[in-house]
Formats: sequence, structure tokens, C-alpha cells
Amino acid sequence: DIVMTQSPDSLAVSLGERATINCKSSQSVIYSSNNKNCLAWYQQKPGQPPKLLIYWASTRESGVPDRFSGSGSGTDFTLTISSLQAEDVAVYSCQQYCVNPVTFGGGTKVEIK
Amino acid sequence: EVQLVESGGVVVQPGGSLRLSCVASGFTFDDYTMHWVRQAPGKGLEWVSLITSDGGTTLYADSVKGRFAISRDNSKNSLYLQMNTLRTEDTALYYCARDFAPQKVHYMAVWGKGTTVTVSS
Repeated sequence: DIVMTQSPDSLAVSLGERATINCKSSQSVIYSSNNKNCLAWYQQKPGQPPKLLIYWASTRESGVPDRFSGSGSGTDFTLTISSLQAEDVAVYSCQQYCVNPVTFGGGTKVEIK
Repeated sequence: EVQLVESGGVVVQPGGSLRLSCVASGFTFDDYTMHWVRQAPGKGLEWVSLITSDGGTTLYADSVKGRFAISRDNSKNSLYLQMNTLRTEDTALYYCARDFAPQKVHYMAVWGKGTTVTVSS
């Protein structure tokens, strides 16, 4: 199975500042059919189910604010929140979907400093 | 409104069995691959199982293979997870989730609120 490793486990960022979350896969997650990276990011607020934010490593899901952006390729990926808002407090998880079984990272908790 | 509603989670003893259900609405259920994903208390997400739109293909995580069985009834817009020989480590919130689109890759765009399974003596 592909192992997804996120860092840091948690981070505290001031309102309006940038938050950066990293995700590393144990092997490349480039999908041969379209040469895109099969990497998704989810946001999970307390007591709620996960919400899809980004797929194909950098495509924002409809309705997701543009302060959220995804980047990276191969085995190293980043989720950036350009200007943290209070409503962004959540756990963020990456997922690879190139290879079954799909696997998730352990999550990164984002809090307000 | 696109919606998934899970049910069936209870407290069960180790070695016991349980059947979870998920009812879908607001979309054409039989177009989509469906998943069960679980989250143990304070832990990350763990994919459990998937079933393709026609029910022809099922996949399982190694941790549940041989103990859990996924199925669906497209006439009832329903997804199921039969859980046998339950272990304490199966304790989790179980989510029903739908693929983003009818496609061969599996990232999940629609999630239910989950149903809690507790395995304890």
C-alpha cells in the first residue's frame, strides 16, 4: 500500500497569515492515463464529515475559496491556505487515489494562534 | 439535495456481527462507485471498502478482508456493510461516501454524517 505521511501534525497560525501543510507519498502518484497527480485534500471540521477541497493535486472543488491551493508533483505535495480565516480551523488530510487501496495521510490540525 | 444517511451503528461485543446501511438521495445512485471509510476515535481516515456502480467489483482493506462484506441494492438506493467477527479495533465512526464522478479513480465528493460502531465487552 502507498503510505501517505503528513507534516506537521498540528500548526497554529495567526488570522490572516499563511498556513502550509505537507504530504509525502511512499511512491509516485502520477496517474498514467492523464499524467496528473492523483492526490486529494480534505477538510474536516469538528463533528463534521470530511469535505473535498482539492483533487488532481491542484484543482479546487466547486465552492472552495481561492485562498486554498494545492501544489506538488510525484511524491511531495502541499496544501496552502493563503490567509487563514477563523472558519478554516479544522483537520486537513491528503489522500492518494492512484492505486487501490486508496490511502489517507494522518491529518494535520490547524488552529488559530 | 445530494445526501447520504448512514444507520445501524451500535455497541456490540467482540466476535459479534452488525450490518450498516446507507441510503442515498439526490443523485443517480447506480451511476456511482460507493465506499465505506472509517475513523477511529482521535485518529485519521481509513478506507474500508468499495463497490462499483453495478456491484460487480468489490475491494477491501486488508484489515477487514474476510470479515466484512459490502453490497448494494440499486433499486433501493442503498449501500450496506455486513461486519462479522468484530474486533475492538473496529471501533470507529463509519462513513458512507460517493465518488466525485462516475470514473475509474476514487476521491470522495459526497459523505454522510457517519454511524458509530463500538466493539466492547
